[in-house]
Amino acid sequence: AQKITQTQPGMFVQEKEAVTLDCTYDTSDQSYGLFWYKQPSSGEMIFLIYQGSYDEQNATEGRYSLNFQKARKSANLVISASQLGDSAMYFCAMREGGSAGGSNYKLTFGKGTLLTVNP
Amino acid sequence: DSGVTQTPKHLITATGQRVTLRCSPRSGDLSVYWYQQSLDQGLQFLIQYYNGEERAKGNILERFSAQQFPDLHSELNLSSLELGDSALYFCASSADGTGMETQYFGPGTRLLVL
Repeated sequence: AQKITQTQPGMFVQEKEAVTLDCTYDTSDQSYGLFWYKQPSSGEMIFLIYQGSYDEQNATEGRYSLNFQKARKSANLVISASQLGDSAMYFCAMREGGSAGGSNYKLTFGKGTLLTVNP
Repeated sequence: DSGVTQTPKHLITATGQRVTLRCSPRSGDLSVYWYQQSLDQGLQFLIQYYNGEERAKGNILERFSAQQFPDLHSELNLSSLELGDSALYFCASSADGTGMETQYFGPGTRLLVL
């Protein structure tokens, strides 16, 4: 089974509107972290936002917020007031807890959602 | 700018050749991760080093190897290159002191094998 599922290959949004990018995850760990990264056409991977599994409040970073629903295992990214510069590929990623005394903190990525912001 | 540097930005080479990709982590970060991004496989974890020692291996081919040096920079060596090795190779770094530190990615090295 896929550990990170992003069901929307592509999304369109009008400038200044809000958009939600979906992400569901699968893990049996109690301690894990969820990340969103942005990859513009230039190729770099830009960290946007992080949510820890024990965090009680949804994470927010400027126009980005993470709608974390633990029971449903979802971690959707909400971008408010979309801008043309938000057009990019967005990746959801998970880092599982690992074992004590020497952990593998690798990220497992979803396949991404290509967001296009229309003027 | 994430603070992670990677060189070269682009690399074009022929099948059968060997290349070395270089990564310098953010100041203070002890962990380096290598990822491969290709159209068919997506983003995949290759290998992790922590303070000079190999910590974990992912889907890394035997033709690939890596190391982390005392100054914490890392190199990924790809040998006997095949057409399918063409991809974007990312290095990421994190402090990895106590847990879920964010991994910050470098700009990537785009490898084209002809």
